Amino acid sequence: GENVEQHPSTLSVQEGDSAVIKCTYSDSASNYFPWYKQELGKGPQLIIDIRSNVGEKKDQRIAVTLNKTAKHFSLHITETQPEDSAVYFCAADMTGGSQGNLIFGKGTKLSVKP
Amino acid sequence: EPEVTQTPSHQVTQMGQEVILRCVPISNHLYFYWYRQILGQKVEFLVSFYNNEISEKSEIFDDQFSVERPDGSNFTLKIRSTKLEDSAMYFCASSAWGERDQPQHFGDGTRLSIL
Repeated sequence: GENVEQHPSTLSVQEGDSAVIKCTYSDSASNYFPWYKQELGKGPQLIIDIRSNVGEKKDQRIAVTLNKTAKHFSLHITETQPEDSAVYFCAADMTGGSQGNLIFGKGTKLSVKP
Repeated sequence: EPEVTQTPSHQVTQMGQEVILRCVPISNHLYFYWYRQILGQKVEFLVSFYNNEISEKSEIFDDQFSVERPDGSNFTLKIRSTKLEDSAMYFCASSAWGERDQPQHFGDGTRLSIL
């Protein structure tokens, strides 16, 4: 089945710097890749997603890139702010296009220091 | 903004007892999911539900687990005879119908503690 690897497990940056989180997936049939932000005591909140027919997607300070050949995708956060501190999860849709069931990475704990 | 709501926020249960976790998905959504997250670990898929039946389930979702949509708004997860290893955060999610993947929206979870 699908397996999603996520790196790094922890990331500490200074406010204003950029943060990059990387994920790889194993199932080439996967074609939907969401990113979730989880704050303490809360459920995962979708922040951005990308489908396999697109190489890059941007929403204000957040961008995601996808390399289908290499089977990896990355989250980029620019001009980080303390409120960006949270655990970020990448995920892949293992059913390849239908209403799929997400396979999550292990998460990255991002700390943004003021 | 519409959201998925889950109750209770924390459930403490004796081992061997039955527990029901409740979820109210976003009102116009048609696909429903349960996930769990053991403390400090990744979020794991349990089951998906569509058109009043299970669409897919993972290896975790064994005979001790069941799901139900008892009315037009609630979606429940039942664990018949709880074990210590069932202790985890349980998240409900829902998504809308669409020809392609629609985002899954998660509730804030129920923390299940088995004693």
